[in-house]
Amino acid sequence: DQQVKQNSPSLSVQEGRISILNCDYTNSMFDYFLWYKKYPAEGPTFLISISSIKDKNEDGRFTVFLNKSAKHLSLHIVPSQPGDSAVYFCAARPYNQGGKLIFGQGTELSVKP
Amino acid sequence: GAVVSQHPSRVICKSGTSVKIECRSLDFQATTMFWYRQFPKQSLMLMATSNEGSKATYEQGVEKDKFLINHASLTLSTLTVTSAHPEDSSFYICSAGQGAGNTIYFGEGSWLTVV
Repeated sequence: DQQVKQNSPSLSVQEGRISILNCDYTNSMFDYFLWYKKYPAEGPTFLISISSIKDKNEDGRFTVFLNKSAKHLSLHIVPSQPGDSAVYFCAARPYNQGGKLIFGQGTELSVKP
Repeated sequence: GAVVSQHPSRVICKSGTSVKIECRSLDFQATTMFWYRQFPKQSLMLMATSNEGSKATYEQGVEKDKFLINHASLTLSTLTVTSAHPEDSSFYICSAGQGAGNTIYFGEGSWLTVV
């Protein structure tokens, strides 16, 4: 039972354009949502998070949007850079469970020069 | 710099032997750490929650006797894969939360290959 889903396994974007990575969840009992960037054989690197009581959080080129009614969140990267090419994981933190995270399957982003 | 460190980054062991992976929080104390595994091109799956000074909490389907977790200090958790088999070959990653905001940091990961 996949509680956090990233339905697009891959995404290809031209440099300078916007990258939009999507994530859906099925459980309402999450208090935080996080996005991580990951390279093969390395640990995930934290990018940005959003509290379940917010609908938007922005940090530089990264913006995360949360639509609770649709149980959907997205990560926008603008402008996209070739160095952004990596696998992006969406993760959700259950209420009152500290650092425990439930991960989506990941989306591989390729930004072409 | 890294705030959570894992060791070793890569290990190859023979089938039937045991291998230990360490996870350390650097410059902060972590009463709870988390162990994940990732198979190639798949998601990170939570295996267990490591609790300092008490027993680990395992996720459904994870064999506690096979994956021994010890959290003996506030900065170190260890995962021991006992009697390893080729199907245990995977990427193992730990994480720890820091601060009131509970920012979660991950280690670099450890590649285990069982031959």
